[in-house]
Amino acid sequence: GAVVSQHPSRVICKSGTSVKIECRSLDFQATTMFWYRQFPKQSLMLMATSNEGSKATYEQGVEKDKFLINHASLTLSTLTVTSAHPEDSSFYICSARLIRGEQYFGPGTRLTVT
Amino acid sequence: QQQVKQSPQSLIVQKGGISIINCAYENTAFDYFPWYQQFPGKGPALLIAIRPDVSEKKEGRFTISFNKSAKQFSLHIMDSQPGDSATYFCAAGTNSGYALNFGKGTSLLVTP
Repeated sequence: GAVVSQHPSRVICKSGTSVKIECRSLDFQATTMFWYRQFPKQSLMLMATSNEGSKATYEQGVEKDKFLINHASLTLSTLTVTSAHPEDSSFYICSARLIRGEQYFGPGTRLTVT
Repeated sequence: QQQVKQSPQSLIVQKGGISIINCAYENTAFDYFPWYQQFPGKGPALLIAIRPDVSEKKEGRFTISFNKSAKQFSLHIMDSQPGDSATYFCAAGTNSGYALNFGKGTSLLVTP
C-alpha cells in the first residue's frame, strides 16, 4: 500500500505557542489530503480537507484561524495549531487520497499542550 | 448524522474463532467501502476494501461481505489471533474526492 508519513510523532508544547505538523505522501502524489483529530477510544473526527494549490475546506465547528492548513505540494500538507491550549491536546492524523479513492493514513501525531 | 453505523462496539472472541463486525449505510451514492485496523497510538491501516460490483472479497483471513440491497457490509476475521486485537473501523465513500464517512469503531479482543 501507499505510505504516508507524519512528523513529529509526538510533541509537547507550552500553552500559547504554535505547533506545525507535517504530512507527506512518500510514494505517490496526493491532490487531496485530510486532517483528522481522534480522542481516546473514539472514532476519527474530520477537521478539514486539504487540496493542493487551494484553500482548505474546514468542517463545521473547526476554527480555521486556529488550525491553519497548507497543501503546498502534491506530497506535503501541513497543519499548524496556533496559540495552542491544553484543550487542543489530542491525536492528530492525516490521510492522503489516491485517485481511485483509497485513503492511506499517517502514523499520527500526539500533541500535548501544557 | 452518522452516515455509517457500526456494531458491535466491542467484541471478545477466542483464539481461532470468527470475528464478525457489521456496518450499515444510508447514502446510495457510496461506492467504496474500506475497513481499517488501528492499534493504540498508531494511525489506521487500510485492511481491505470492496466496491459494490462484487458481493464478497477475501484477502487472507479477512473477508468483506457486501449486501447492496440491504445497504450493509461486514468484516469477517477467520481464525482470529491475539495479534488481531485492535480497533476496527468501517467506512464508506465515493470517488468524488470527499472524505470517507467512518463508523464509530469496534474494539476487538482476541483471548488466547
